[in-house]
Amino acid sequence: DAGVIQSPRHEVTEMGQEVTLRCKPISGHNSLFWYRQTMMRGLELLIYFNNNVPIDDSGMPEDRFSAKMPNASFSTLKIQPSEPRDSAVYFCASRPGQGLRTANEKLFFGSGTQLSVL
Amino acid sequence: AQKITQTQPGMFVQEKEAVTLDCTYDTSDPSYGLFWYKQPSSGEMIFLIYQGSYDQQNATEGRYSLNFQKARKSANLVISASQLGDSAMYFCAMRDGGSQGNLIFGKGTKLSVKP
Repeated sequence: DAGVIQSPRHEVTEMGQEVTLRCKPISGHNSLFWYRQTMMRGLELLIYFNNNVPIDDSGMPEDRFSAKMPNASFSTLKIQPSEPRDSAVYFCASRPGQGLRTANEKLFFGSGTQLSVL
Repeated sequence: AQKITQTQPGMFVQEKEAVTLDCTYDTSDPSYGLFWYKQPSSGEMIFLIYQGSYDQQNATEGRYSLNFQKARKSANLVISASQLGDSAMYFCAMRDGGSQGNLIFGKGTKLSVKP
């Protein structure tokens, strides 16, 4: 079975450029999460969707960050314009999400996108 | 507010020995779940074990077990018979009933297994 698929695996860009990260969740999963991992701050939730609807975007650092989920099988995280402090590993994760209060559902993570902004 | 604390930035263990990785949590919700993930140097996040707040017994998965002490709000991961492949970052995470699906992660513990 295919897991959560993220692309690209690595992205190197220059400050000021637009960056788009992509994620395909596991088929049938209703909840999708974007996390950012840095040495200083660890794993932080940026935003998550339930049934393609953004539920909580309070973790999105600034207006430069935006996320969309146009359908159940695809999500994007866009940074425009990018800055060196955005350099991090960005993870996408999904879970079945058959109801909001399913405390025992683990998250399935993609392999992450290593973003370097020069 | 929810909080996960892992106080050990790094740990060393001799191959074949057992090791305990500490995790304490804070939540006011009586219903919650606790998770451990492993992140090897390759970067992927691998689920290891889950413990629910109402579970009567400590969770076990192969060489992994969770020492769940509810009154102390601790959920320590025990790895028995350590292997070289266990060298990785280990993250404790929590979801409570009010979080609507999100996991809050601790800062992680880097485990190094010595041959």
